[in-house]
Amino acid sequence: NAGVTQTPKFQVLKTGQSMTLQCAQDMNHEYMSWYRQDPGMGLRLIHYSVGAGITDQGEVPNGYNVSRSTTEDFPLRLLSAAPSQTSVYFCASSYSQATGNSPLHFGNGTRLTVT
Amino acid sequence: KNEVEQSPQNLTAQEGEFITINCSYSVGISALHWLQQHPGGGIVSLFMLSSGKKKHGRLIATINIQEKHSSLHITASHPRDSAVYICAPGYSGGGADGLTFGKGTHLIIQP
Repeated sequence: NAGVTQTPKFQVLKTGQSMTLQCAQDMNHEYMSWYRQDPGMGLRLIHYSVGAGITDQGEVPNGYNVSRSTTEDFPLRLLSAAPSQTSVYFCASSYSQATGNSPLHFGNGTRLTVT
Repeated sequence: KNEVEQSPQNLTAQEGEFITINCSYSVGISALHWLQQHPGGGIVSLFMLSSGKKKHGRLIATINIQEKHSSLHITASHPRDSAVYICAPGYSGGGADGLTFGKGTHLIIQP
């Protein structure tokens, strides 16, 4: 099993550009999520999904869109990139939406710089 | 929202030393996660525990639910243990309220 696969690993965007961060998992997990990691802060939840066709906002959703058309894939779209979105992004999945007591499996991260 | 405090924020130690990283939180939880992140790398789940103690190799995690406190210990530390260690108290509800992440403890083990 590949686990959680994120692409790309690095990306540089200009302000106003759009892009999609890809995330795929092969563990048949129902729960998938996107986090951003910024210096001096803990991981913050952007969006999450408890199953195909179901998505919801996390703590910092503004400027991001998600969709979940299949169990395996959960792409994160930046609609119009801003320098404030410079961060490291992690996709994660879990077999249960009760993330408080089920292990999370993380991708390797995407380091995004917006100039 | 759960307030999570990790200490120390930074720790440099010599190879072979016994390491302790602490995590305190403010609200009752269903379980607590310990995660490891190597420089430039992904995040790996080390432990999930709701009571007592768990051990995996040289790593030991303990939790005291009544005192809202958890510790991660590393015995016979090695340079490959150098990483950021993150605690994340969790609730059974999931979603936006499921996990709160600490800011991490940056550990460097010198040979």
